[in-house]
Amino acid sequence: EAGVTQSPRYAVLQEGQAVSFWCDPISGHDTLYWYQQPRDQGPQLLVYFRDEAVIDNSQLPSDRFSAVRPKGTNSTLKIQSAKQGDTATYLCASSLGGANYAEQFFGPGTRLTVL
Amino acid sequence: GDSVTQKQGQVTLSEDDFLFINCTYSTTTYPTLFWYVQYPGQGPQLLLKVTTANNKGISRGFEATYDKGTTSFHLQKASVQESDSAVYFCALVDASSGSWQLIFGSGTQLTVMP
Repeated sequence: EAGVTQSPRYAVLQEGQAVSFWCDPISGHDTLYWYQQPRDQGPQLLVYFRDEAVIDNSQLPSDRFSAVRPKGTNSTLKIQSAKQGDTATYLCASSLGGANYAEQFFGPGTRLTVL
Repeated sequence: GDSVTQKQGQVTLSEDDFLFINCTYSTTTYPTLFWYVQYPGQGPQLLLKVTTANNKGISRGFEATYDKGTTSFHLQKASVQESDSAVYFCALVDASSGSWQLIFGSGTQLTVMP
């Protein structure tokens, strides 16, 4: 069974540029998560979906970040006008069900550097 | 709100040494606690889950326990191998905010010398 896939694996931007990250979750998983992991820190939840609906985006910087999952499968996270503070690895995870007992399966992440 | 603290940033051991990593947590409900492991270039993988129901989890030679009295939970392994070198994260399910999602600690980088 294929795991969670993400692309691109790496991105380097100048401040002010835009970037999109793409995630393909495990087939059949209804819940999809986007995390931000700064260097030497743990993952921090940005947003998560159940099917196509946003369940919680309270930690998503809404002025520059957006995330969609239009058909309840793949998802895109976009940063408009990136800042140096956005430098981090962006992880996508999926699970079957979103309760606390649901194991989350993570992709390899996209490492973003904003110069 | 709920929180988790992982103070051991780096641990260096030799093969066959005993591993002990500790996290402390704060929650107003019964905790559900996890240990995740992250190898270079990969996302975190679930290693163990501990709840008040089972008190202990065991997987791949690792054992996780929690202590309600000190609000801490531990990851241990009797004899580490070089292949165990990775970053280990503790995580707590955030119940108090109603999100029921994971709060990760800052991670412990384990280096096992041959």
